[in-house]
Amino acid sequence: SQTIHQWPATLVQPVGSPLSLECTVEGTSNPNLYWYRQAAGRGLQLLFYSVGIGQISSEVPQNLSASRPQDRQFILSSKKLLLSDSGFYLCAWSFDADTQYFGPGTRLTVL
Amino acid sequence: AQTVTQSQPEMSVQEAETVTLSCTYDTSESDYYLFWYKQPPSRQMILVIRQEAYKQQNATENRFSVNFQKAAKSFSLKISDSQLGDAAMYFCAYRSLGSYNTDKLIFGTGTRLQVFP
Repeated sequence: SQTIHQWPATLVQPVGSPLSLECTVEGTSNPNLYWYRQAAGRGLQLLFYSVGIGQISSEVPQNLSASRPQDRQFILSSKKLLLSDSGFYLCAWSFDADTQYFGPGTRLTVL
Repeated sequence: AQTVTQSQPEMSVQEAETVTLSCTYDTSESDYYLFWYKQPPSRQMILVIRQEAYKQQNATENRFSVNFQKAAKSFSLKISDSQLGDAAMYFCAYRSLGSYNTDKLIFGTGTRLQVFP
């Protein structure tokens, strides 16, 4: 069966520091991968999605970026965090653009 | 652009009773998917149920069922025999099938469900 992992689970970072969140999927090949952000008390907003290695589509212009160095690895990065980057970040995968399944998430607090 | 509206910020239900959560959406497309996701306090999003728009039959998963009214653009979730573990945020979501480039979920703002013993 397929499983999805996110690391770290929680993160507290100062403003202006870099960011790297990792998402890995097991048990499937060539999944579609997604990064979502959830602000407090809100629904999810799609940030990036990827249909293959090195292929990244951005939904929202911001100071975040994403990369897919391996088939089942998706990384969310920032060179300099802003206070507004605080939130809950969820990675998701789907097979052939079908139902999306979510990871456990990373709670990011920028101080 | 498609939108999803959940007009009930909070709902409550007694254990073993039935509750219905509302969702409406706006789209000009004829083919799409609709989903209900549950987000418990752990905050992991868990798929509850999925409905393909081309199917007239309402989807059912154990105690969870939907009332899909395509013409009215309504997609409500019914939880029967409510259990304490059903307490969570519930999100309605829409996914277009019109284009491969629109492979994203559009979420409503969620309904918080409380279950009382």
